[in-house]
Amino acid sequence: EDKVVQSPLSLVVHEGDTVTLNCSYEVTNFRSLLWYKQEKKAPTFLFMLTSSGIEKKSGRLSSILDKKELFSILNITATQTGDSAIYLCAVNYSGGGADGLTFGKGTHLIIQP
Amino acid sequence: GAVVSQHPSRVICKSGTSVKIECRSLDFQATTMFWYRQFPKQSLMLMATSNEGSKATYEQGVEKDKFLINHASLTLSTLTVTSAHPEDSSFYICSARATGFAGPYNEQFFGPGTRLTVL
Repeated sequence: EDKVVQSPLSLVVHEGDTVTLNCSYEVTNFRSLLWYKQEKKAPTFLFMLTSSGIEKKSGRLSSILDKKELFSILNITATQTGDSAIYLCAVNYSGGGADGLTFGKGTHLIIQP
Repeated sequence: GAVVSQHPSRVICKSGTSVKIECRSLDFQATTMFWYRQFPKQSLMLMATSNEGSKATYEQGVEKDKFLINHASLTLSTLTVTSAHPEDSSFYICSARATGFAGPYNEQFFGPGTRLTVL
């Protein structure tokens, strides 16, 4: 049973559009939720969320966590072709791999010019 | 700062041979490193947690005798795939968590990955 579920699994939009990526999780002893961007190689860190309702923002990207409903969203506004990547959501929780991260399957985002 | 390297970046080997992959934290010390595996079009799966100076902790279903992990120093962890078979072909990625680094809790810095192909 997947502990971290991302949706949609793939998404194709046009440049300039705004996208919202979803991540839901079901774990006990939650510690943090992290978003990564993976292009050709290893993931690069975007955000780490530990508290509900506090939006983290970096340029056109923002993310927020709802610990009551057990989900997070990643928003990208004014998308560019360089945003095309796989976006991974990962959760760290006690008992979950001794502090390792449990990843969702990712959302494959394609931005068309 | 917070750079993690892996070597080699790509390796092709014959079935039955052993392959060693190195993971180094270049500008910080890491008491804990993690090894992940990623099959094509799938997400990263945690294989094991590597702690400096002690035995690695393996995830359920990962054979510790097949995937040998050694974390001999605060900047180096190695993963050895013993008697590799074609089904071991995958993308292996390590990450390191800094000791005393002024970053978010549990921020992990990922290496560039190693593509293993077993013929």
